[in-house]
Order: sequence, then structure tokens, then C-alpha cells
Amino acid sequence: GAGVSQTPSNKVTEKGKYVELRCDPISGHTALYWYRQSLGQGPEFLIYFQGTGAADDSGLPNDRFFAVRPEGSVSTLKIQRTERGDSAVYLCASSPTSGHRGDTQYFGPGTRLTVL
Amino acid sequence: DAKTTQPNSMESNEEEPVHLPCNHSTISGTDYIHWYRQLPSQGPEYVIHGLTSNVNNRMASLAIAEDRKSSTLILHRATLRDAAVYYCILRDDSNSGYALNFGKGTSLLVTP
Repeated sequence: GAGVSQTPSNKVTEKGKYVELRCDPISGHTALYWYRQSLGQGPEFLIYFQGTGAADDSGLPNDRFFAVRPEGSVSTLKIQRTERGDSAVYLCASSPTSGHRGDTQYFGPGTRLTVL
Repeated sequence: DAKTTQPNSMESNEEEPVHLPCNHSTISGTDYIHWYRQLPSQGPEYVIHGLTSNVNNRMASLAIAEDRKSSTLILHRATLRDAAVYYCILRDDSNSGYALNFGKGTSLLVTP
């Protein structure tokens, strides 16, 4: 079956612009996660959705970052007034249940964001 | 959250077994031990997880110490496709237990 997909695969933007990154989770997965990975580092948690609601957004670095999942499936990560420090690979993952400690998370290939 | 310690890098010859260690001396009784790996230019992928007993699947084996303060991921016969960064991650039942805390992992180099 289809895995997690993310679009675009690459995004180049200028400092100060607004960007949207899209994630299509595996069909039927209720939990969705966003992570950010800087060069040479492991992925860092940003936000977790259970259904349509953000159950935990404590990893979002500041109020320029926002994410939605209006119908409990596709999610969009939105970044306002982008800064060069936002350049990273943004990863999306989904899991079939409620984020239990034994769950497996399935990752997409990521969107590489470059802010010039 | 309980933390893990892994070597920065390891090297193996192709077709030989690889033992990737992970120390987690502050693990709690309910923490699961998960391993993920990340191939170059790809998202992480699940490898294996366990709680107390050793586990085997088609990708690898997980050996967990009796006191659970360490574990070892075993690749029985390394291939060039196994070259990746391997992350050892603890997950608990706290409010943040669903998020994977990746750390820096171990970069595995496999040579022909």
C-alpha cells in the first residue's frame, strides 16, 4: 500500500516569505507527527495530531510555525516570515493508533526547505 | 525522558554480523526500547522494538540486557544497503511518550 507522502520534495524560498508543506499519511492512521531535521542532527519533534486536533505542539519553535489537519487526514505545516535558520528537512510520520509507546511510526521522505 | 548513549560511528565489512550498542542506564520499568534507522536522503524507518525479552524480526535482532540498562541491535549479515544512521530510542507512557527522541544515533559504514 501507499506510504506517507510529502510535497513538495524540495522548496526554495526567500527570507520573509510564507511556505506550506503538505503531508499525506497512510490511510486510516489516526496519529500524525511532524519533525524537523537539521544537517548532521537527528530529527526533532515539532507537533503531534490525534485525529483533527493538535494533541501536543510543544516542539514548535515559535509562533511563526503552525500546523493543521482539518479532516483528520492530510496535514499542512505552515511557516510564516521564513528565516534562514528554518532551513532543514521537514519530516512527517503517521501511526495507526493513539501514539502508544509500542507503536511504530511510518515516515515520509521529507521536504527539504531552503531559505535564501 | 530517559536518555540513550550510542557510539557516533561504527564500521563493518559486508556479509559480517554487526552489533550496535546502546546504553540507557536511567531506563524506567515501562520504557520500550525502539530502534529506527535512516538511510541517506530518506526518512527514518522502523527496525525493531522490545520491552524486556530479546526480539527477532526479518530485519534484525534486539538483545536486551537483564537489567535493561543496555541493549544491542544485531544485524546478522550486513549488506551495503544497511549503511545508515541507527537510532536507539526509549518511549514511555508520559505525555511526551509518543514523540520519538532521536538523538544523534550511530552512523554505520559497511565496506565491501
